[in-house]
Amino acid sequence: AAGVIQSPRHLIKEKRETATLKCYPIPRHDTVYWYQQGPGQDPQFLISFYEKMQSDKGSIPDRFSAQQFSDYHSELNMSSLELGDSALYFCASSITGTSGNTIYFGEGSWLTVV
Amino acid sequence: AQSVTQLDSQVPVFEEAPVELRCNYSSSVSVYLFWYVQYPNQGLQLLLKYLSGSTLVKGINGFEAEFNKSQTSFHLRKPSVHISDTAEYFCAVRRGSSNTGKLIFGQGTTLQVKP
Repeated sequence: AAGVIQSPRHLIKEKRETATLKCYPIPRHDTVYWYQQGPGQDPQFLISFYEKMQSDKGSIPDRFSAQQFSDYHSELNMSSLELGDSALYFCASSITGTSGNTIYFGEGSWLTVV
Repeated sequence: AQSVTQLDSQVPVFEEAPVELRCNYSSSVSVYLFWYVQYPNQGLQLLLKYLSGSTLVKGINGFEAEFNKSQTSFHLRKPSVHISDTAEYFCAVRRGSSNTGKLIFGQGTTLQVKP
């Protein structure tokens, strides 16, 4: 079965540079979530989209922005990168209409800021 | 607001022994509860979930969990662990009234299975 696809899987950037992460949800899934997991930490919710509209916002820095496109894929844009942005970034997706619907996670994108 | 507390950061156990990973949650509204597993350098995989009904839920890889509303707990158990169960386990909660609500994770428990 198709899963959540994230790209790139690994990314190395220098401080103050910009990075863009892409996420392709499971087909027919209409909700996308972004999480950030620092080393040895639990995943922290950043932002979510439902039907291309922002549905919730968590601890996402102002330097970050995200959107969901008409084909439901999503992109997380990170500017003025800092060393502390080094983390594993997860995208996840789910489909509404079913109570307690499961949220499925991608394999993650490793961002290293040097 | 919801929150999750995993009471043990690390749980060492010998192979074939039983294990329990503890999870408590806090919420003023009804919630759905989940356990995810993360193997080294991999993504998050759903082990099991509690939505409603029977308080004992069974998941993949022989894991099960019991929802206890009075104690606001959702402990994960396995009667006999394998070396391959070594991983990070996350308990998570989601608001029960929302189909687009985010997951809130606990701090994680590292299960270390020793031969």
